[in-house]
Order: sequence, then C-alpha cells, then structure tokens
Amino acid sequence: DTGVSQDPRHKITKRGQNVTFRCDPISEHNRLYWYRQTLGQGPEFLTYFQNEAQLEKSRLLSDRFSAERPKGSFSTLEIQRTEQGDSAMYLCASSPLSQQNTEAFFGQGTRLTVV
Amino acid sequence: AQSVTQLGSHVSVSEGALVLLRCNYSSSVPPYLFWYVQYPNQGLQLLLKYTSAATLVKGINGFEAEFKKSETSFHLTKPSAHMSDAAEYFCAGNQGGKLIFGQGTELSVKP
Repeated sequence: DTGVSQDPRHKITKRGQNVTFRCDPISEHNRLYWYRQTLGQGPEFLTYFQNEAQLEKSRLLSDRFSAERPKGSFSTLEIQRTEQGDSAMYLCASSPLSQQNTEAFFGQGTRLTVV
Repeated sequence: AQSVTQLGSHVSVSEGALVLLRCNYSSSVPPYLFWYVQYPNQGLQLLLKYTSAATLVKGINGFEAEFKKSETSFHLTKPSAHMSDAAEYFCAGNQGGKLIFGQGTELSVKP
C-alpha cells in the first residue's frame, strides 16, 4: 500500500469557481477525515466518514463545502463559489479502526490558492 | 471536550542541544495523545502516541514524550537536535473519534 493519496497536489483557481479534491485512503481503512490547514496553524477538522456514512461535520464546513465517500472507498471534497479565504492546505487522513487510540495516517495534502 | 495547547509557536536550538516542545491538554477523561511532524509542503507523520500503556513513550527519530497527569502535559523531547529535525510539530488529542490539533511549534536548528 502506498499510503493516503490526494489529488491534485496543487490547485489555483479564480474566485467564484468550483473545485473538487480527491482522496484515496489506505486500503480497508474505514475512517476517512478531511482537515484544513492555513499557514502557521494546526490542522482544523472539517468532517469525517465511517465507511460511506458522514458522521460529523464541523461548523467550519459552510454550505459551499460538500464531501462524499461513495461506496466507502475514495472521498471527494467540493468547494463551490470559492472565496479567497478558502486558500489553504486541505489534508485527508484515514484510520483503520474507530478506537480512540488509533492514529490517523495523512496524505500530502492539496494546496488551494484562490486568486 | 478535549483540547490541546502548545506553548511557543517557535523554538530555536543549536545542533546537538536538547529539544523540548511543550504540550498541555485539557480533558475530563483519560486522553489519547499524539505528536506529529510536518515538513514543508508535506502531510503529517506520526512521531509517537500515548495510549495509557506507559507514561514514557518512545517514538521515531530519537524523540520521546512523557505523559504527566498531574501537570496535564505531554511534552516532546529529544536529547540531541539534528539539522534534519527542523520542521513543524503538532500535538493532538482524540476527541469523539477525531484528532484535535494544537497550533503547532516550528522547530529551527542552528548549525
């Protein structure tokens, strides 16, 4: 297994455009997380899935953001009508179990720049 | 609810010196705590984790952390810094099945 994979690594878009990011978790990991990280800050939780079910969404996730995980495998995060404040690194992570002592494995992230 | 606080957004040490990065947690239940490292434009890599089996936890790259319940702390240490240790370090705790991160500490290592 090659780990958590995110695509694209970098995205530059004009304000108002829609963007979609993809995350492929480690095989058989049933939990998948999305985080957002801005410069000089720690990752902020956005949402997570257990298999195909979206179990929790942060208040940070406005109605312009939507995430899906069809069939409980890969996940997509879509941002509609992007704003400059959406510029950040978007990190995906997965974990094999729902136990609280299990760490999450992170992908390399997608860096979004809204111009 | 659990939260983690990292004291010091930037720490600078000389090569060969002791590294100490501070993390305090607040929790009403026994915590599960983690330290991650992030190199520029990369994702996060796990250094070590505390899962109540032992209060002194050894991780990769010579790092270790000690869980102190009386101080609600989980500080990260390394006896001798290497240039390659320069990176951003994040302390995290588990809250409701997801990780909650501190704001991070950037470690600089001077030759």
